Amino acid sequence: SQTIHQWPATLVQPVGSPLSLECTVEGTSNPNLYWYRQAAGRGLQLLFYSVGIGQISSEVPQNLSASRPQDRQFILSSKKLLLSDSGFYLCAWSVLGQGAQSHTEAFFGQGTRLTVV
Amino acid sequence: LAKTTQPISMDSYEGQEVNITCSHNNIATNDYITWYQQFPSQGPRFIIQGYKTKVTNEVASLFIPADRKSSTLSLPRVSLSDTAVYYCLVGLQPLVFGKGTRLSVIA
Repeated sequence: SQTIHQWPATLVQPVGSPLSLECTVEGTSNPNLYWYRQAAGRGLQLLFYSVGIGQISSEVPQNLSASRPQDRQFILSSKKLLLSDSGFYLCAWSVLGQGAQSHTEAFFGQGTRLTVV
Repeated sequence: LAKTTQPISMDSYEGQEVNITCSHNNIATNDYITWYQQFPSQGPRFIIQGYKTKVTNEVASLFIPADRKSSTLSLPRVSLSDTAVYYCLVGLQPLVFGKGTRLSVIA
């Protein structure tokens, strides 16, 4: 069966420090991978998505970057964290459905709650 | 990617049927409609997906009119545990979530 691992669950980092959040998927090949951020009481903001190794699309210009070094590994990074980077970060994966434009369900990791102090 | 519009919030008493409508006027011919549920401090969870008419599973029903410019998620006999945010998504790539509808179920 397919599973998604995201770590760490919580993280407290000082302003200006680097960040690396890792997400790995098991049990599927060539998934679409996503990074989202959710501020307290707000909706999900899509940060990055990837349809293949080395292919990263950024939705929002910001202090963050993403990489996909392997088919089932997605990494979210920052060189210098800002206070505004605090939030709940979620990794997700999905695969295309059988229909021409359909999408199977997306599966989410447990999330990382990042607090920048 | 088709933009969606949903009510910001809804309240319901336990045991009632709840209908949440999503507008997607510029839905493309091949776009599917998908609904997700999110509890606090968790990632969204897939509820149901459909293309036209009606789809039903063990959790909910999805009604899509012929013009497909809107869709309605129907939750039968809600309980307190159905209190969550519900998102309507249209289209394929990427998976963009709007603000969703915050459903509060009251005892």
